[in-house]
Amino acid sequence: RKEVEQDPGPFNVPEGATVAFNCTYSNSASQSFFWYRQDCRKEPKLLMSVYSSGNEDGRFTAQLNRASQYISLLIRDSKLSDSATYLCVVNPNTGNQFYFGTGTSLTVIP
Amino acid sequence: DGGITQSPKYLFRKEGQNVTLSCEQNLNHDAMYWYRQDPGQGLRLIYYSQIVNDFQKGDIAEGYSVSREKKESFPLTVTSAQKNPTAFYLCASRGTGLPNYGYTFGSGTRLTVV
Repeated sequence: RKEVEQDPGPFNVPEGATVAFNCTYSNSASQSFFWYRQDCRKEPKLLMSVYSSGNEDGRFTAQLNRASQYISLLIRDSKLSDSATYLCVVNPNTGNQFYFGTGTSLTVIP
Repeated sequence: DGGITQSPKYLFRKEGQNVTLSCEQNLNHDAMYWYRQDPGQGLRLIYYSQIVNDFQKGDIAEGYSVSREKKESFPLTVTSAQKNPTAFYLCASRGTGLPNYGYTFGSGTRLTVV
């Protein structure tokens, strides 16, 4: 079983739509969680950390469900500039390595 | 500004040739990593280092070598033993101590075998 699994998509949504991505992780002892954004042919950039109580940054909301071992990212009022691949990243707390999902592709359509 | 710099941006390697990818950071981070990304695939860990003069193999270390002589620098050598080296290589660093501290990535090196 993979450490981190994501639905690869693609998700094609109209501007202004709300879209949600989920990511599951296998190690229940995992301590920290992140969402990264990766534009085509660029490096991943940290979008937001995911905290136990959930957290929001503008149009983006991240949630953690420890019981079901998944994290989610909600994007409200989608913009064309939100088009990218979103990577789920988990620190399994078994060393210093983080594990990356394969990414979910989002295209926001005018 | 603090950051992590990779060079070159593009690199072409002939069959049987060793090449070295540079990674330098001025973030005072202890941990540094090398990942490989193939089209449509996730990041796979090649090597990582948590402290100077120490490094560990990741999931796909065969055909690669690294050194960590300085805190700021973590070069990756792609040897001729790596049979399929064409990929996007990403270097990352991370401050240790706080579990919610994420990675910072360099802008990557695209390696192509010609």
